[in-house]
Amino acid sequence: EVQLLESGGGSVQPGGSLRLSCAASGFTFSTYAMSWVRQAPGKGLEWVSVISGSGDSTYYADSVKGRFTISRDNAKNTLYLQMNSLRADDAAVYYCAKLSGGSCYSALMLWGQGTLVTVSS
Amino acid sequence: DIVMTQSPDSLAVSLGERATINCKSSQSVLYSSNNKNYLTWYQQKPGQPPKLLIYWASTRESGVPDRFSGSGSGTDFTLNISSLQAEDVAVYYCQQHYSIPFTFGPGTKVDIK
Repeated sequence: EVQLLESGGGSVQPGGSLRLSCAASGFTFSTYAMSWVRQAPGKGLEWVSVISGSGDSTYYADSVKGRFTISRDNAKNTLYLQMNSLRADDAAVYYCAKLSGGSCYSALMLWGQGTLVTVSS
Repeated sequence: DIVMTQSPDSLAVSLGERATINCKSSQSVLYSSNNKNYLTWYQQKPGQPPKLLIYWASTRESGVPDRFSGSGSGTDFTLNISSLQAEDVAVYYCQQHYSIPFTFGPGTKVDIK
């Protein structure tokens, strides 16, 4: 069964850091681009970042550029999101998603259940 | 950035009736080299992650009921639910993946009348 399981969410103070992980199973991980999408409580979806299957290409939303880093370990079938300098408006459920192909310019085919990040003093 | 808009914000439809959601992009998401619209529709039910419904603007994902259909090209797109069922109550989002940053529409909430 194809599955994505996020972890690493929690409560952090403004200016703090968190690293999210997304463990993938049931498919050849290195073949697919992966993405992070977030959703603030009661709000819509916001695309955060995407990484190619090889990890060579990465792209970010302007709102997180320079603060967040997406990466992957294809040997461990795991996607990461390192989040630094967190702000109150970064609070959201963070979803990892498998794209439909190796290209970053693909649909978000499968989503994990999400992990909640709270930023508060 | 490509701005995605959706209309209406919400709609209530009787069971068995048609629901129509519109999505508009601020610039074309049609890639001329492959003639594909980089436009996807997602369904998000309460308390659940989003689910892929329609990709390339009109291709139904495997397992999605055929009452869901997508149409449109360039900048104007439509999601139709031909005969609304109780399990279709959800928020529906369109997304463009033509250019970075990929952007979502604000969502359309569908309820039963």
